[in-house]
Amino acid sequence: SQQGEEDPQALSIQEGENATMNCSYKTSINNLQWYRQNSGRGLVHLILIRSNEREKHSGRLRVTLDTSKKSSSLLITASRAADTASYFCATVGGDYGGATNKLIFGTGTLLAVQP
Amino acid sequence: KAGVTQTPRYLIKTRGQQVTLSCSPISGHRSVSWYQQTPGQGLQFLFEYFSETQRNKGNFPGRFSGRQFSNSRSEMNVSTLELGDSALYLCASSFGGGPLQETQYFGPGTRLLVL
Repeated sequence: SQQGEEDPQALSIQEGENATMNCSYKTSINNLQWYRQNSGRGLVHLILIRSNEREKHSGRLRVTLDTSKKSSSLLITASRAADTASYFCATVGGDYGGATNKLIFGTGTLLAVQP
Repeated sequence: KAGVTQTPRYLIKTRGQQVTLSCSPISGHRSVSWYQQTPGQGLQFLFEYFSETQRNKGNFPGRFSGRQFSNSRSEMNVSTLELGDSALYLCASSFGGGPLQETQYFGPGTRLLVL
């Protein structure tokens, strides 16, 4: 089963707008990662944030992590049509499910950027 | 540098048959993980191999097995296929630390349809 949930499940915005996706998880973590998936293809790693970090940037991406609330958010600024994809958060570590060295994915957010 | 490759890309099997999927990691990567993605259960961890040894295992029945060769290529096998095994099977590779320490690089996946 999955570690957490993402919110919203689907998001539709216009090109140039910002998109924010939220991820909540259940147990302690070592790190949290965000991935993008285009139309049922492979996953592309976007960013990794460790449990002792609060914010991280990569290009138009900004990720925050609040371990006290067990939540993370991904902000994509100035979105483009090419950003249309599903976005997944994945947690690593903690004591969920025994083995810790694995990705436990959230439910995903489907982002549609209208040109 | 070539990315993670998976073969075949598409596969159709019937119930009761068995199937073998292959994953070639990025050159120099020694850790290979497998994930199953279905609409109902989302992305779930199957197992991880490092240096020809299974290092982590998810909560899947014994019909799902895998192995890794000395060149780090990995195969997963599903015996006695069931309709519910229809899924996108993804493999990911990293140098050796797994997701606890490193970015995971995913292949394009093998889409399996069980009829």
